[in-house]
Amino acid sequence: DTEVTQTPKHLVMGMTNKKSLKCEQHMGHRAMYWYKQKAKKPPELMFVYSYEKLSINESVPSRFSPECPNSSLLNLHLHALQPEDSALYLCASSQVGLAGRHTGELFFGEGSRLTVL
Amino acid sequence: AQSVTQLGSHVSVSEGALVLLRCNYSSSVPPYLFWYVQYPNQGLQLLLKYTTGATLVKGINGFEAEFKKSETSFHLTKPSAHMSDAAEYFCAVSPPNFRGGATNKLIFGTGTLLAVQP
Repeated sequence: DTEVTQTPKHLVMGMTNKKSLKCEQHMGHRAMYWYKQKAKKPPELMFVYSYEKLSINESVPSRFSPECPNSSLLNLHLHALQPEDSALYLCASSQVGLAGRHTGELFFGEGSRLTVL
Repeated sequence: AQSVTQLGSHVSVSEGALVLLRCNYSSSVPPYLFWYVQYPNQGLQLLLKYTTGATLVKGINGFEAEFKKSETSFHLTKPSAHMSDAAEYFCAVSPPNFRGGATNKLIFGTGTLLAVQP
């Protein structure tokens, strides 16, 4: 069983819809991530939050809007998406040690499979 | 800039045979190295990692990998393949952080799909 929980597992939305993907972890990790994965490809980093603050935005279009309400939750708000945004969206978390040191070890959820019609 | 190369996008082995998945990295300093596995319709799971110290690292499910600095390689092996090993395997690197430890930005290879034949 994964300790990073993502909901929903599947989402179908139209290009004018607004929806959100949710991620939750209770491992006490202070870094949380959103990745996008297309079929047969490696995950692509989208956003990183460290101590609830956005630390990395990989030039992601504004139709994707991340939010980190607290240290356990991470949301990805979706609006006016395009069919090419259809993909598996993976949430991950990791420990942050003293002086902001990262272990590099990510714990992934099972993903939310998004289809944009 | 860091990069990761996985030779062979598809590898097929017979059940009970040796598994060898290749990973080479380019870096001016030894990075932190990882192997992740992704089963169908699931997220990624860490198999093993190399940070410092012993260059032969053992992971879950009988996998191990050896860090060879001279060859800039971190190949993944398993002595005897099992049907349940069929999955996508990703090698990943993180450059060392100036404060110590890894960075929060993993660089993934393109992946190797392992098929295990009965």
